[in-house]
Amino acid sequence: SQTIHQWPATLVQPVGSPLSLECTVEGTSNPNLYWYRQAAGRGLQLLFYSVGIGQISSEVPQNLSASRPQDRQFILSSKKLLLSDSGFYLCAWSRDFTDTQYFGPGTRLTVL
Amino acid sequence: AQTVTQSQPEMSVQEAETVTLSCTYDTSESDYYLFWYKQPPSRQMILVIRQEAYKQQNATENRFSVNFQKAAKSFSLKISDSQLGDAAMYFCAYRSANSGGGADGLTFGKGTHLIIQP
Repeated sequence: SQTIHQWPATLVQPVGSPLSLECTVEGTSNPNLYWYRQAAGRGLQLLFYSVGIGQISSEVPQNLSASRPQDRQFILSSKKLLLSDSGFYLCAWSRDFTDTQYFGPGTRLTVL
Repeated sequence: AQTVTQSQPEMSVQEAETVTLSCTYDTSESDYYLFWYKQPPSRQMILVIRQEAYKQQNATENRFSVNFQKAAKSFSLKISDSQLGDAAMYFCAYRSANSGGGADGLTFGKGTHLIIQP
């Protein structure tokens, strides 16, 4: 069966510091991968998605970036965090664009 | 762009009763997918049910069923025999059946907080 992992589970970072969140999927190959953000009191917003290694599409211009160095690894990064980057970050995967998206446990990021 | 609206920020139901959560969406597309996800206090998003727009039959999963009205662009979730474990945020989500151009991502409503009264 497929499983999706995210780490860290919780992160507290100062403004201006860098960020790296990792997502990995097990039990499948060449998945579509997604990063979403859930800000307090708001719904989920798609940030990035990837259909393959090195292929990243951005939905929202911001100071975040994403990379996919390996088939089942998806990384969310920032060079300098802003207060507005605080939120709950969810990674998801699907077999293809017709398939259901399955979510990881999420990372709670607090920027102080 | 597609939008998803959940007009009930919070709903409360007695244990063992039935509750219906509302969702409407706006799209110009004819082929798409609709989902209900549950987010318990752990905050992991869990799929509850999925509906393909080309299917006229309403999807069901055990105690969960949907009322899909394509012409009205309505997609409500009915939970029968409510249980304490059903307490969570419920999100309605839309995805286009066309790939590329951001169509792969889900568009979510703002959620409905479901409270189960023992």
